[in-house]
Amino acid sequence: AQRVTQPEKLLSVFKGAPVELKCNYSYSGSPELFWYVQYSRQRLQLLLRHISRESIKGFTADLNKGETSFHLKKPFAQEEDSAMYYCALSGHNQGGKLIFGQGTELSVKP
Amino acid sequence: GAVVSQHPSRVICKSGTSVKIECRSLDFQATTMFWYRQFPKQSLMLMATSNEGSKATYEQGVEKDKFLINHASLTLSTLTVTSAHPEDSSFYICSARVGGSTEAFFGQGTRLTVV
Repeated sequence: AQRVTQPEKLLSVFKGAPVELKCNYSYSGSPELFWYVQYSRQRLQLLLRHISRESIKGFTADLNKGETSFHLKKPFAQEEDSAMYYCALSGHNQGGKLIFGQGTELSVKP
Repeated sequence: GAVVSQHPSRVICKSGTSVKIECRSLDFQATTMFWYRQFPKQSLMLMATSNEGSKATYEQGVEKDKFLINHASLTLSTLTVTSAHPEDSSFYICSARVGGSTEAFFGQGTRLTVV
């Protein structure tokens, strides 16, 4: 079964602290993994995807096939990073539909 | 970037009535759109895949007669919640992909309240 698990509902850190939002997945083939972000009162938007291997707003995520994980990391959190973060999976030949994790609310305190 | 627009943003309807939600791709053509439902503080649950010119593909457990999807053009998909009940109250979100890209663009969502 396809599944995305984000174990933390809420992650609260102080400004400047490192952040790691966890994501584990279950998929029999080779999925494509994404992180989407939803800032307050805004629509969901793509933050990054594993195939790009890029850093966006200081965030990075590495796909670990052995651990079936795609954790999102940032070395120094900023207050403007406060948002809901969703890990999502798209399976091969599934027409692009996304399976979302439960979401993690990141709160960065001053 | 690609823009997906939903209308209305909020709607309140009486129990037993039907309500239609529109999802438009403003600056690109979308052969496939997706409809999600989101409960408060919870994840997005995929309801169905809307295919232009053909029937929608519904996820397991989603009543296709309850949630009618029509994708009549390359820029418009509609979701009609028929005979709405209070338990249908939720946040409905659509998304669309641009061509062969795997990136999905999301609408702003529609808050449906059934009273």
